[in-house]
Amino acid sequence: AQTVTQSQPEMSVQEAETVTLSCTYDTSESDYYLFWYKQPPSRQMILVIRQEAYKQQNATENRFSVNFQKAAKSFSLKISDSQLGDAAMYFCAYRTDPYGGATNKLIFGTGTLLAVQP
Amino acid sequence: DVKVTQSSRYLVKRTGEKVFLECVQDMDHENMFWYRQDPGLGLRLIYFSYDVKMKEKGDIPEGYSVSREKKERFSLILESASTNQTSMYLCASSAPYRDRGLYSPGYTFGSGTRLTVV
Repeated sequence: AQTVTQSQPEMSVQEAETVTLSCTYDTSESDYYLFWYKQPPSRQMILVIRQEAYKQQNATENRFSVNFQKAAKSFSLKISDSQLGDAAMYFCAYRTDPYGGATNKLIFGTGTLLAVQP
Repeated sequence: DVKVTQSSRYLVKRTGEKVFLECVQDMDHENMFWYRQDPGLGLRLIYFSYDVKMKEKGDIPEGYSVSREKKERFSLILESASTNQTSMYLCASSAPYRDRGLYSPGYTFGSGTRLTVV
């Protein structure tokens, strides 16, 4: 079974600095999707960034980028120029590529609570 | 612009009560999911449905059931609420796989129902 591990329960960063959140996963599959979701105090889960395993290029969305190491099964999130609005719980998640009818389940890590200091 | 709506933001119920958590999506998605979120445990899948009247157990289905009579609505039922079911419940929906180039594998989440069982 696939698992997702986030080893940092809490992180803190100064405003305008850069922070990296770690995520590792375990799977025997070759095709899959990885995600980072943000959950602010409003509780609304927001998709931050996603990575297709078949793509070698690391995904980037404005100040958010990932370091996807497929062989090491690592998927870290880098937030550059951190802002106060980035303070939230961040979840790493894995989903099987459903081509061929595989399950659609999204498997989550336990989350990292990010604090941004002014 | 709300696309997944959970009927209650906060709910307080008594032990032994039958509890219904409602979720409605307006994106015509085939797949719908119920997750439970607890501190330190992340999000855990309770049940999911990939079509009307279809349902599958997730990782923690015990004590829960679901109903999907219409495509847009997915209900989570606690047959006899217990204090260990006090938690945050998140509903989500996703599109089915059609073509890799067009596929959007992310989920859209509701804003959660915080249930307290006393």
